Parts: sequence; structure tokens; C-alpha cells
Amino acid sequence: DAEITQSPRHKITETGRQVTLACHQTWNHNNMFWYRQDLGHGLRLIHYSYGVQDTNKGEVSDGYSVSRSNTEDLPLTLESAASSQTSVYFCASSDPGQRLFFGEGSRLTVL
Amino acid sequence: DQQVKQNSPSLSVQEGRISILNCDYTNSMFDYFLWYKKYPAEGPTFLISISSIKDKNEDGRFTVFLNKSAKHLSLHIVPSQPGDSAVYFCAASANTGNQFYFGTGTSLTVIP
Repeated sequence: DAEITQSPRHKITETGRQVTLACHQTWNHNNMFWYRQDLGHGLRLIHYSYGVQDTNKGEVSDGYSVSRSNTEDLPLTLESAASSQTSVYFCASSDPGQRLFFGEGSRLTVL
Repeated sequence: DQQVKQNSPSLSVQEGRISILNCDYTNSMFDYFLWYKKYPAEGPTFLISISSIKDKNEDGRFTVFLNKSAKHLSLHIVPSQPGDSAVYFCAASANTGNQFYFGTGTSLTVIP
């Protein structure tokens, strides 16, 4: 079955370190997204991509970057992790019917 | 500024009764709306959607109603079951972008 997977599922890091969260989907979807979930804020869009070599900023993109070198992967990089980036991160892709399919999430703690 | 709002953080309902979850939005360009269900330690899963050309969409026990003039949508679950206990997010997008804006979620508890 096609799916979307995230790794690592849990990560603890220190302030200032670079962190990369991986996202891999096997649906061959063009559109991919990264969200973060925080209490009181719901899901907020960080970055998104409509295809290979395309990346766009979402509503909370500061301190994050993405790259899209192939259809299947959209890694999210925190260049210099901050405590405010402690969160649960969800990767998603969307089908032509505009339904989002989410990964299981990556819980990041920045100490 | 939150473009999609769910003003009730939590809701408790007896098993077998109706659950009504509400969602309001501010952006008149939104034309596609979705509901997602989320269990702890899992990613959100798609539940039901509605396009702005409709005012109702039904799928089994789940019905979504859209009131465009009020910029309001609601999800009805009838009858509610204990397995429906989860956090429900509404989301909206405008045709131009495939960007989805989510509400803050409503935690539903169905009491057996």
C-alpha cells in the first residue's frame, strides 16, 4: 500500500544544532506539506512544494527550510534549533482531489 | 490571525446521541472545506469534505453542513460511538493554492 512515512518519530536536540526531519511518500503526489502542531494553534503550515525543485513558505516558515529533489521526499531542516521549535511536526501530501494524507508525526524537543 | 476557528476546545456526548462540531472561517476566498480526525500519537486522517457549491455532504454517520453566508460549517456525527473520541480539525483552502488552513481542533469524548 502507498504511504507516507516520517523519521525520526522522536528527536531530542540542543539549541543551535541543525536538525533534519525526513518525509517520504509513495503515492507519487506532486503536492507535499510540512505542518507543526502546537496546543492552542492547531496545525500551522511551515513550507510546501508543488513539485520537484518547487518550494514555498507557509505561515510559520522562519527558521525552517525544505528542498525537493525528487517527487517522493520533502525533508524539513531546522538550521539552528530553538526552544520555540519544540513541537510535533507532520508531513503531508495531497491527491488531485485535494485530500491531505498525513504521516504519523515527528516529536521534536529542543533543550 | 487565525482564518479558521474552532471555538469549542472540547465536547462530551453520550454514546448514541448526536455530536455537533462547529467551525468558522473569515476568508471569503475559501471554497473547499475538510474535516480531519486525529487520535493521540497518530497523524490526522481525512474524514469528509465539502465544496462551496454544496451546502451538505453526507458519508455514513458523518454529515458536514456549510453556511457560506455565515462563513460557518459544522460536522454532525449520528449516532456517536466511543471510537469517535478523538480531536477533530476543520480545514479550508482556496482554489488558488492547495494551501490548507486548519482550526485549533475540538476534542470529542463519547461517553459509553
